Amino acid sequence: RKEVEQDPGPFNVPEGATVAFNCTYSNSASQSFFWYRQDCRKEPKLLMSVYSSGNEDGRFTAQLNRASQYISLLIRDSKLSDSATYLCVVTQMDSNYQLIWGAGTKLIIKP
Amino acid sequence: SAVISQKPSRDICQRGTSLTIQCQVDSQVTMMFWYRQQPGQSLTLIATANQGSEATYESGFVIDKFPISRPNLTFSTLTVSNMSPEDSSIYLCSVEDGGAGELFFGEGSRLTVL
Repeated sequence: RKEVEQDPGPFNVPEGATVAFNCTYSNSASQSFFWYRQDCRKEPKLLMSVYSSGNEDGRFTAQLNRASQYISLLIRDSKLSDSATYLCVVTQMDSNYQLIWGAGTKLIIKP
Repeated sequence: SAVISQKPSRDICQRGTSLTIQCQVDSQVTMMFWYRQQPGQSLTLIATANQGSEATYESGFVIDKFPISRPNLTFSTLTVSNMSPEDSSIYLCSVEDGGAGELFFGEGSRLTVL
C-alpha cells in the first residue's frame, strides 16, 4: 500500500460544478497536510495547508479526518482555470523529517 | 516566498553522457531538495543538499549517479551521470520557506535521454 494515495482521475467536470477529491495516508503519526496544484508542464505550487479544524480559501475548502486518515479538497463553482493536477502532501517524522507526495489527481474543467 | 531559477529548462542527451542542472535561489536557505518526477508519477525525493556537508540521499539514489554540489546557501547543482533512457524525467529543485511543508520549486528541467 502506498503511503499517500490519490485517485489519479482524470475528473472531467463541467464549469460551475462542485468537485471533491480525497487523499488517504497510511501513517497515523503524520503531522501536517497540504494540497499543491501543478499545471501542465509546470512546477507544483502550494494551494493550501490543511488544518485539523478544516479551512476555506474562497472557492476551496480543505478538510482533515484523522480518524479515517484522509484529507479532502472541495472546489465550488469550478472555473476553466482550475484545470490542473492536485497533489496531496503529508509530512511525517521518522528518523528524519519527510514529505510524502501523492501521485496527484488530474482535474479537467470543461466549458 | 523564494524565487528559484533552474536551468536548463530542457535538454536532449545521448546515452552515457552526463548533465548538470543548476538551481539558484534569491535568498539564503539551509536546505535545498532535488526531486524527480516521471510522467504521471508523484514527486520522488532524490536528495537533500546541505551547505558545507555532503548531500543526504534517499533510498534508491546514490552519489555516484547523482552527484550534488552545494557551494553556498543560494546555489546547488545536480548531475545526472552516465545517463540511460530510464533517467528521462523532470528534475525539480526545491526549497522550504515560510514554514514546514511549504515548498517552492524551480520550473524544472525536462531531460530526455536517447
